[in-house]
Amino acid sequence: AQKVTQAQTEISVVEKEDVTLDCVYETRDTTYYLFWYKQPPSGELVFLIRRNSFDEQNEISGRYSWNFQKSTSSFNFTITASQVVDSAVYFCALSEAQGGSEKLVFGKGTKLTVNP
Amino acid sequence: DGGITQSPKYLFRKEGQNVTLSCEQNLNHDAMYWYRQDPGQGLRLIYYSQIVNDFQKGDIAEGYSVSREKKESFPLTVTSAQKNPTAFYLCASSRTAARETQYFGPGTRLLVL
Repeated sequence: AQKVTQAQTEISVVEKEDVTLDCVYETRDTTYYLFWYKQPPSGELVFLIRRNSFDEQNEISGRYSWNFQKSTSSFNFTITASQVVDSAVYFCALSEAQGGSEKLVFGKGTKLTVNP
Repeated sequence: DGGITQSPKYLFRKEGQNVTLSCEQNLNHDAMYWYRQDPGQGLRLIYYSQIVNDFQKGDIAEGYSVSREKKESFPLTVTSAQKNPTAFYLCASSRTAARETQYFGPGTRLLVL
């Protein structure tokens, strides 16, 4: 079975601190995709990044960066110089092949609170 | 504006009642999905549809039904057989079903009276 573990249930930081959200996954697939989504208090999931298993390059987008390490089955997400608007629940997800189609397996999420 | 709309934002269900949640997308996506989210939990897949007139059960399909008569619409019915329907329901779509990014609607919160 494939699964995604986000061990940090809640994290609280002060504005401008850097924060890393951990994601560890398990899969037997050789080709898979990993995702991060943000869920602000409004509830809608906002797509942040999609990464395939063959691309281990780290990615940076503004204050956001992602570290993908196949050797440790991890896909961690770092927010640099956090802001209050970063407060949300963040979900890591893994694509899973089933019956010829893909489905996403989600972690339970990490609630990030950034205090002013 | 392209996107996914869900209605209503809040829905109240009485005991023994069926209710239908609406999901519409104008992204021209082939695949659509329904997820359930409970407090402190990740999302669990209820049903998904790869193409019009076709759909498959997800991990927690019991007590739910769907239809996919039009490409842009994927309504979810919560039947009276679903004994614990109180949750946040999210609809998503993707260009195809194969490893594409899923984009989500704003969600519907279902409460039981």
